[in-house]
Order: sequence, then structure tokens, then C-alpha cells
Amino acid sequence: GDSVTQMEGPVTLSEEAFLTINCTYTATGYPSLFWYVQYPGEGLQLLLKATKADDKGSNKGFEATYRKETTSFHLEKGSVQVSDSAVYFCALADTGRRALTFGSGTRLQVQP
Amino acid sequence: SQTIHQWPATLVQPVGSPLSLECTVEGTSNPNLYWYRQAAGRGLQLLFYSVGIGQISSEVPQNLSASRPQDRQFILSSKKLLLSDSGFYLCAWSGRQGRNQPQHFGDGTRLSIL
Repeated sequence: GDSVTQMEGPVTLSEEAFLTINCTYTATGYPSLFWYVQYPGEGLQLLLKATKADDKGSNKGFEATYRKETTSFHLEKGSVQVSDSAVYFCALADTGRRALTFGSGTRLQVQP
Repeated sequence: SQTIHQWPATLVQPVGSPLSLECTVEGTSNPNLYWYRQAAGRGLQLLFYSVGIGQISSEVPQNLSASRPQDRQFILSSKKLLLSDSGFYLCAWSGRQGRNQPQHFGDGTRLSIL
């Protein structure tokens, strides 16, 4: 079946540091890939998406590239801010399956 | 624009009591609707999804049920809550146009069972 694996958290960084959160997946079809962000006490918000191999999704300074050869969709940001502190979820939508499969989430803590 | 509303935001219930959580979507028609649960410090578990009125698919057998009495209304229920039902419940909707449609989430309901 489908699965998404994310790096364990929490990830603790200083402000303006470079961020990478690793995400790898297994899927039976040709999935679309997503990153969601959850701020404390809130629901999930779509951060970015990519629908086919080599696509790059980007939003608010975050980027992720759909790498079919390594089945990965790592999230990156060049310079994090305190306001980026949240839990980040990687997810996929596989062919013929209506719901998303989520990773377990990675908590990011950015210190001033 | 489309919006999704969940209520209540927080709920404290005793073991064995009933449950009803409501979710409504505005600004779209014929959405796919979803209920997820997020246990503390863990990822999201899909509970139910619906592609139309009265059409419910259950992903995980448990003492919860879901109903869709109207196109944009999705209700999560239980006749008798268990301690293990505690968690953060999230409703989501997506469009019908294939797997590239992202899901849009409500603000969630934090349920505590005593």
C-alpha cells in the first residue's frame, strides 16, 4: 500500500538557518505530492504541491521538488523565521484513491 | 471563495456519552468530504470519506460513524465514546477533478474523553 515517511522531529534551528525536512514515499500509481503545515492549535493548511516528476512546488519561500527516481519530496527553505515554527506534513494522493496518505509530521522549532 | 467550518472547537465528554461533530462547506458544490483523527504527537488517520449525499466509506472499523445528510454537511458521531477516542478531529474537503486536487482543512475539534 501507499506510505509516506518523514524525518523524526523535532527539528530545532536558529532564525535564518537553512531548513530541510526529508520525505520519501511508496505508491502503486503516479501520485501527486503535497506539503501541509499545521500551526499550534489549528487545522492543516496546504503549503505547496507537485503533480508530476521534476515539478517544483513553492510557496512562502518553501520549495520541494518531486523526485521520482528517489521517490522523495524534501521540503527546503533558505532562511527560516520564528513564525515558521509549526508541524509539517508530507502527503500523497495516489491514482484511483480519493484520500490523502500522510506522513507522521515533523515539528519545526525556530529560535530567535 | 470556499470556506469550511467545524464545531465545536473543543469538547470534553465523559466515557460512554454520545458524540456529534459537525462540518459544513461553503462556496462549492459536490465536494468530496473527509474526517481525520490526529492523536497527540502523531500523524493523521483517515476515518471516513464521502463522495456524495448518503455515500460514506469507512477506512477504520471503530465505534464512530459518519453521515452526510446534505451536499455540504458532514457529521461525525458516536453512540458511546471510549477513552481511546480522544484526539484532534479534522474535517476536510476537496474538489472532484481528479487526484491533483488538494484537500482543504477546517480548524479542527479537540476532543477530550474523561
